[in-house]
Amino acid sequence: GDSVTQMEGPVTLSEEAFLTINCTYTATGYPSLFWYVQYPGEGLQLLLKATKADDKGSNKGFEATYRKETTSFHLEKGSVQVSDSAVYFCALTPLDAGNMLTFGGGTRLMVKP
Amino acid sequence: KAGVTQTPRYLIKTRGQQVTLSCSPISGHRSVSWYQQTPGQGLQFLFEYFSETQRNKGNFPGRFSGRQFSNSRSEMNVSTLELGDSALYLCASSQLNTGELFFGEGSRLTVL
Repeated sequence: GDSVTQMEGPVTLSEEAFLTINCTYTATGYPSLFWYVQYPGEGLQLLLKATKADDKGSNKGFEATYRKETTSFHLEKGSVQVSDSAVYFCALTPLDAGNMLTFGGGTRLMVKP
Repeated sequence: KAGVTQTPRYLIKTRGQQVTLSCSPISGHRSVSWYQQTPGQGLQFLFEYFSETQRNKGNFPGRFSGRQFSNSRSEMNVSTLELGDSALYLCASSQLNTGELFFGEGSRLTVL
């Protein structure tokens, strides 16, 4: 079946550091890929998405590129802020099952001032 | 625009009991999905409803069931509760069939 693997956290960075959170997936066909974020005390929110190979999703300074050849969708941000501290989830959904998401285990990011 | 509302937010049950959780989607959203979040298994898809019909179902036993009403509100039910059912149950709504979901804050169930 489909699966998503994320790097384990927590990831601890200083403010203004560069962030990479690795995400790889296993799926048949051409799934859509997502990053969702869960801030402390809040519900999950969609951060960005990509629907086909080489697409780049971006939002709030975060970016991720859909790499079919390496089955990856790594999340990056050039300069993190304390307010980015949260749990980040990589997810996929098959082409024909739009709202049935398979999530990775989540990566906790802690940004220190 | 009001977000996804889940009730109750917290509840405690004992083994063998049953529980019903409620979800009110964002106005205009016809798709409602349910997910279970636990420290061990992470986020797992339970089921999705669209226009009162179950559209997709995850790999959970038959003790887990759901339904959707004509106003798009949804309920999920867990019967014969087990300790392992302790989890945060998340509801999400969507206008589209693209994986772009709006999540509620969840109902935290503790089974003793």
